[in-house]
Amino acid sequence: EADIYQTPRYLVIGTGKKITLECSQTMGHDKMYWYQQDPGMELHLIHYSYGVNSTEKGDLSSESTVSRIRTEHFPLTLESARPSHTSQYLCASSESRGDQPQHFGDGTRLSIL
Amino acid sequence: RKEVEQDPGPFNVPEGATVAFNCTYSNSASQSFFWYRQDCRKEPKLLMSVYSSGNEDGRFTAQLNRASQYISLLIRDSKLSDSATYLCVALTGGFKTIFGAGTRLFVKA
Repeated sequence: EADIYQTPRYLVIGTGKKITLECSQTMGHDKMYWYQQDPGMELHLIHYSYGVNSTEKGDLSSESTVSRIRTEHFPLTLESARPSHTSQYLCASSESRGDQPQHFGDGTRLSIL
Repeated sequence: RKEVEQDPGPFNVPEGATVAFNCTYSNSASQSFFWYRQDCRKEPKLLMSVYSSGNEDGRFTAQLNRASQYISLLIRDSKLSDSATYLCVALTGGFKTIFGAGTRLFVKA
């Protein structure tokens, strides 16, 4: 069973607030990912990292930013939340070896009022 | 054209039925494939890897056809608990992971 944790599980917050979604994994995985998914819709990759100090933007443009200062931690930040940011955010990680699947955290359901 | 394409469904089947999902991928360099299951409002969970020789896990069988660039998932003796969205995934170059949009399955009593 994958050990990847996301907090908070649910967040309802007002427009204009700064938000940080936390993601931590205890498996020592180098690769980590952030996805955005609306209900009933497909996953969209918004950020990924291949290791410490490595961050890249994904296929879907996002106003969020990420950092990777420690292997186990990959937080996502929204500087000024807007209603359009309302969605589910899923964090995942995988081993560095090329053929390994990703393992997902439980997700954060974000609602911006 | 999407790199990984799936029939969105939904597939509505009675309990006990056998159901098959297909998924096609466009990048011939893709080398690893997986099926994930995602329940409503939950995270995707790895169901099984897909090998060229085909593999089976209980009621689930996955197969890969590299020549035609498609993978399949067969579910035998469907249970109500199999109702979910099934995601096909292709991994290319050891780092590029492409998720399909998913196929919805509803198993009815």
